[in-house]
Amino acid sequence: ELKVEQNPLFLSMQEGKNYTIYCNYSTTSDRLYWYRQDPGKSLESLFVLLSNGAVKQEGRLMASLDTKARLSTLHITAAVHDLSATYFCAVGILDSNYQLIWGAGTKLIIKP
Amino acid sequence: KAGVTQTPRYLIKTRGQQVTLSCSPISGHRSVSWYQQTPGQGLQFLFEYFSETQRNKGNFPGRFSGRQFSNSRSEMNVSTLELGDSALYLCASSYRSGRTDTQYFGPGTRLTVL
Repeated sequence: ELKVEQNPLFLSMQEGKNYTIYCNYSTTSDRLYWYRQDPGKSLESLFVLLSNGAVKQEGRLMASLDTKARLSTLHITAAVHDLSATYFCAVGILDSNYQLIWGAGTKLIIKP
Repeated sequence: KAGVTQTPRYLIKTRGQQVTLSCSPISGHRSVSWYQQTPGQGLQFLFEYFSETQRNKGNFPGRFSGRQFSNSRSEMNVSTLELGDSALYLCASSYRSGRTDTQYFGPGTRLTVL
């Protein structure tokens, strides 16, 4: 069964702290996406990771991919309130057709 | 460049009715995908259209259908609405179909079925 598991599903943290969100997937994939969703809003693309060892950074967010472990991480450095959102990972799977399988999302609340 | 637009943004229907949702992709994008988002099931893929052809389909009943027009605009139809169809329906566009491109999402249509 194709599974994408994120953990934690909920995270409350203080500004200035560091934390990591994990995304595990159960089958071979050729790419992994991270998206952000603000409450009541749509999804915004953050990163696409295409190969083993890929690392991408934008501001206080850094994403990495380990295809051998089937694991991606989204690391938040010195969190600020504006990063409060729900973060989704999505894994590209080539089955009969190509499709994205989504994680359940990690709701991140950063307290001032 | 204008983003993905969806209409209407909010919709209230009763069980048994049908509904049509509309999505206009980013100019130049030819692929449109539809997703259903609910608190219980998360984000689930409905279908993808590219150049007016359905390229891919998720695991939803036949009550859910879609189409794409020559200008790449897409519509999604749900017939015989059920309470469980209440959800945020998101469409996403990309330039090409399949694995290559990042998808850009619209604001969604929130459907409530009473």
